[in-house]
Amino acid sequence: KNQVEQSPQSLIILEGKNCTLQCNYTVSPFSNLRWYKQDTGRGPVSLTIMTFSENTKSNGRYTATLDADTKQSSLHITASQLSDSASYICVVRNSGGYQKVTFGTGTKLQVIP
Amino acid sequence: DAGVIQSPRHEVTEMGQEVTLRCKPISGHNSLFWYRQTMMRGLELLIYFNNNVPIDDSGMPEDRFSAKMPNASFSTLKIQPSEPRDSAVYFCASSPLTATNEKLFFGSGTQLSVL
Repeated sequence: KNQVEQSPQSLIILEGKNCTLQCNYTVSPFSNLRWYKQDTGRGPVSLTIMTFSENTKSNGRYTATLDADTKQSSLHITASQLSDSASYICVVRNSGGYQKVTFGTGTKLQVIP
Repeated sequence: DAGVIQSPRHEVTEMGQEVTLRCKPISGHNSLFWYRQTMMRGLELLIYFNNNVPIDDSGMPEDRFSAKMPNASFSTLKIQPSEPRDSAVYFCASSPLTATNEKLFFGSGTQLSVL
């Protein structure tokens, strides 16, 4: 069964600090992995996409990594800001048939002043 | 581009009533998805349309749920009769869905409360 597990479930950090969110998946065959950011009361918005051949990708203060061998991904946030407070959802697509993605349940991040 | 537009933003209804949620996808996108989000289960796919045709409705909880997409610019999700356990946030998402791009664009959701 395709599964995506994220940790921690929730996290509180001080403004300006760094943090790392984890995503482990069992989706197979693997196509790509996306990290979405979901602000309170809004729909998720894609932050970055990782394909099989990519190990690291940055988008501003966000850096995603992918280890396709161990089926793990991480999202590192540098110099956190209050606006980073949101849920971060890991979504993995498989390559079989039509569009098929598996969602993680997310990590709820709270950045406090 | 206005993005994916959902209505209403909030819906409060009594058990047994019919509820209709509406969605306008991004123009040019060929795929539309209805998701339900709860604290316990996260985002769950209910149904997926491609070119207005339902492709996968295996996530629809039961016969009380139905979805239609009469044209490329409009879709509805109907719950009849509604039950308290249907309370959740319902998201509509659209996607260009090509071989290289399956990025989902979400609406702001409908917060449904069934009393």
